[in-house]
Amino acid sequence: DGGITQSPKYLFRKEGQNVTLSCEQNLNHDAMYWYRQDPGQGLRLIYYSQIVNDFQKGDIAEGYSVSREKKESFPLTVTSAQKNPTAFYLCASQRRDRGTNEKLFFGSGTQLSVL
Amino acid sequence: DAKTTQPPSMDCAEGRAANLPCNHSTISGNEYVYWYRQIHSQGPQYIIHGLKNNETNEMASLIITEDRKSSTLILPHATLRDTAVYYCIVRVARGNYGGSQGNLIFGKGTKLSVKP
Repeated sequence: DGGITQSPKYLFRKEGQNVTLSCEQNLNHDAMYWYRQDPGQGLRLIYYSQIVNDFQKGDIAEGYSVSREKKESFPLTVTSAQKNPTAFYLCASQRRDRGTNEKLFFGSGTQLSVL
Repeated sequence: DAKTTQPPSMDCAEGRAANLPCNHSTISGNEYVYWYRQIHSQGPQYIIHGLKNNETNEMASLIITEDRKSSTLILPHATLRDTAVYYCIVRVARGNYGGSQGNLIFGKGTKLSVKP
């Protein structure tokens, strides 16, 4: 089945540690995104990538880093510089299309907590 | 992108129609209305979108007022599995990927509770 897969489902980070969240899609989508969601809040954009080997900062990129070496993969690293990393992280992909339907496909999310 | 206003919560009886309102009084002529929903601890799911005509698909119907300042998402026969947070978003459809394509502004949405 085609889809977008995030792993792990739950992740724990120690103080000063970097952790990497995985996001893989087999939808052949060009664009991929990372969002952060805090309890009871909407989604905020961290980083996005419209094409391989290129990515842009979103609204809250500080303390995070990404790479896009392959079309299928867009891993997110939460660095030690991110002082409040506890949140639900969502990855999404989108087909590159000049049409009007720009719907996002989301993964099932990763819950990151600080020990 | 235009801002939207939604009620924080709504209840609906199982089997009845759920009508979720959204105000977007500052919407521009080239902005579409999108609806997503998020079931607890899952990623949001696309439901439907439209520009000015009413739209229907297998999940829901979207009714947009003539002045486009508001819209209503209709779930014709709500089930318990429709309990979720529903997000109304308006944005320009940027076909040339000149900007932040995915920067849909997800507000707090409406928490719909479908009750037996």
